[in-house]
Amino acid sequence: GAVVSQHPSWVICKSGTSVKIECRSLDFQATTMFWYRQFPKQSLMLMATSNEGSKATYEQGVEKDKFLINHASLTLSTLTVTSAHPEDSSFYICSARFTGGNQPQHFGDGTRLSIL
Amino acid sequence: DAKTTQPPSMDCAEGRAANLPCNHSTISGNEYVYWYRQIHSQGPQYIIHGLKNNETNEMASLIITEDRKSSTLILPHATLRDTAVYYCIVRVATSGNTPLVFGKGTRLSVIA
Repeated sequence: GAVVSQHPSWVICKSGTSVKIECRSLDFQATTMFWYRQFPKQSLMLMATSNEGSKATYEQGVEKDKFLINHASLTLSTLTVTSAHPEDSSFYICSARFTGGNQPQHFGDGTRLSIL
Repeated sequence: DAKTTQPPSMDCAEGRAANLPCNHSTISGNEYVYWYRQIHSQGPQYIIHGLKNNETNEMASLIITEDRKSSTLILPHATLRDTAVYYCIVRVATSGNTPLVFGKGTRLSVIA
């Protein structure tokens, strides 16, 4: 069964709207979660690393004021796309990893964001 | 983390074994090989991982060469539902928080 739950799975909204995406780890605690973005026919690109109780670490070229990440508990991280515009339309995917060693990273089912 | 090279696409007949190659010639001793797949419009799904020895689970087998510079993912009896993009990723196994970095992967098409 799924170990990472992501919600919502699909969002359509008007330009200028802020959109919040939730990522939950099920049955395990994740001190770190990851947020990826995927454009059509491209691979996943890491946006940021979300750390519980501290600030997220953003990849180069990702605007931290545009993509707000909050990781307030060990099982929940949220990504808010602020004042979204059509170019922010994409497939957003979160991921979490069991702590320790070589444990695999598990992914949510993604959120398809369409900005009109 | 070491880079990987995969063919962009492959076809496989339904019911036959699908053998997906991956080159990771710069892999270092403490790096694991991970395989994930992504079915259209879904998040990536973990398949298998290994360090040196061959590994098998209910989904697939992973064969790693003795010099660890390449590996092959084997789906023993491919079905239409195995059509997906398959990613081979090399990563250091640490207790830290290093994310997976995805390349372009191999698009596997299973044909009836």
